[in-house]
Amino acid sequence: AQKITQTQPGMFVQEKEAVTLDCTYDTSDQSYGLFWYKQPSSGEMIFLIYQGSYDEQNATEGRYSLNFQKARKSANLVISASQLGDSAMYFCAMREGHNTDKLIFGTGTRLQVFP
Amino acid sequence: DSGVTQTPKHLITATGQRVTLRCSPRSGDLSVYWYQQSLDQGLQFLIQYYNGEERAKGNILERFSAQQFPDLHSELNLSSLELGDSALYFCASSPAGARNEQFFGPGTRLTVL
Repeated sequence: AQKITQTQPGMFVQEKEAVTLDCTYDTSDQSYGLFWYKQPSSGEMIFLIYQGSYDEQNATEGRYSLNFQKARKSANLVISASQLGDSAMYFCAMREGHNTDKLIFGTGTRLQVFP
Repeated sequence: DSGVTQTPKHLITATGQRVTLRCSPRSGDLSVYWYQQSLDQGLQFLIQYYNGEERAKGNILERFSAQQFPDLHSELNLSSLELGDSALYFCASSPAGARNEQFFGPGTRLTVL
């Protein structure tokens, strides 16, 4: 069965430093999509970045990049130049296959950025 | 602001009651998804509608039902509420296409007392 694993319940990073949030996935499908969402304390879910299984280059969106290692089934989120406003929960999610659009979420990583 | 709206923002009700959560997707998005976020279950997919038709079903209880109307807004109906139904309920919408990134609404926080 498809599964997303986030092994870091919490991470700390100093302002202006880079941080990597880990995500591994399990699927038997060849076609899938990987997503990262940010959930601040206010509760909304903010879409950050997407990586398709057939994309040859790692996705980047501003300060966010996705380190996609297909053979290892990992899709780590890298946040460069952390800001205090980056403090939030971060969720990795997967959409599997062609027949479903549902997202399966990991348990999340709480990131705290300190001055 | 994702462009997805949900009402109400908060809902407090008693066990055994029935509530309706409403969602308006982003303009042009045909797909609507419902998710439940609780402390013990995490974020779980409930159900998806595409242009008025049910497309996929997840871990949705029989006491819960949903529909999508011709104007594409969607409603999630929760009945015979139990304490364990207390959660944050998200609606998301997505455009057609290979990426299918889902844009989430602000959520409805349901508290069952």
